[in-house]
Amino acid sequence: AAGVIQSPRHLIKEKRETATLKCYPIPRHDTVYWYQQGPGQDPQFLISFYEKMQSDKGSIPDRFSAQQFSDYHSELNMSSLELGDSALYFCASSLRVLGNTEAFFGQGTRLTVV
Amino acid sequence: DAKTTQPPSMDCAEGRAANLPCNHSTISGNEYVYWYRQIHSQGPQYIIHGLKNNETNEMASLIITEDRKSSTLILPHATLRDTAVYYCIVPKNRGSGNTGKLIFGQGTTLQVKP
Repeated sequence: AAGVIQSPRHLIKEKRETATLKCYPIPRHDTVYWYQQGPGQDPQFLISFYEKMQSDKGSIPDRFSAQQFSDYHSELNMSSLELGDSALYFCASSLRVLGNTEAFFGQGTRLTVV
Repeated sequence: DAKTTQPPSMDCAEGRAANLPCNHSTISGNEYVYWYRQIHSQGPQYIIHGLKNNETNEMASLIITEDRKSSTLILPHATLRDTAVYYCIVPKNRGSGNTGKLIFGQGTTLQVKP
């Protein structure tokens, strides 16, 4: 079965550079969630999209932005990167069914800022 | 999300059943209990969810108390590959402005030992 695909799997950037992370949800899933997981921490919710519109926002820095495109893939854009942005970034997708929060996660992008 | 409380760590012998408890005393009547796990640095993996009846799938069983204030995830025959952090989550149901995002709190680190 198709899963959530994230690219790239690994990314190394220098401080103050920009990075773009991509997420391809499971086919027919209409919702995408982004999470950030720092070393030794639990995943933290950043932002979500439903039907290409931002649906919720968590602790996402103003330097970050995201969008969901017409084919439902999503991109997380990160600018003015800081050392503290080094983390695993996960994308998850789900299908909106009232009351259902079963979400499936990708394998993540490991971002290292040097 | 309803607050959940889990023990920080547990050990289990390989081949034995692993019983992971979770308290969620503030759960609302129509909210589901979800279990996810995260094997080191991989994306969180959906395990099972339930409302009030006990549930079983190919991965695990979920036992929910009659008052719904606590639940237990059961891995019937734990293997070394089940070593992971297990998260019990009670998200707000999708709809009525809720996006169904998952809030990861402190989970239980299960160590399966040979």
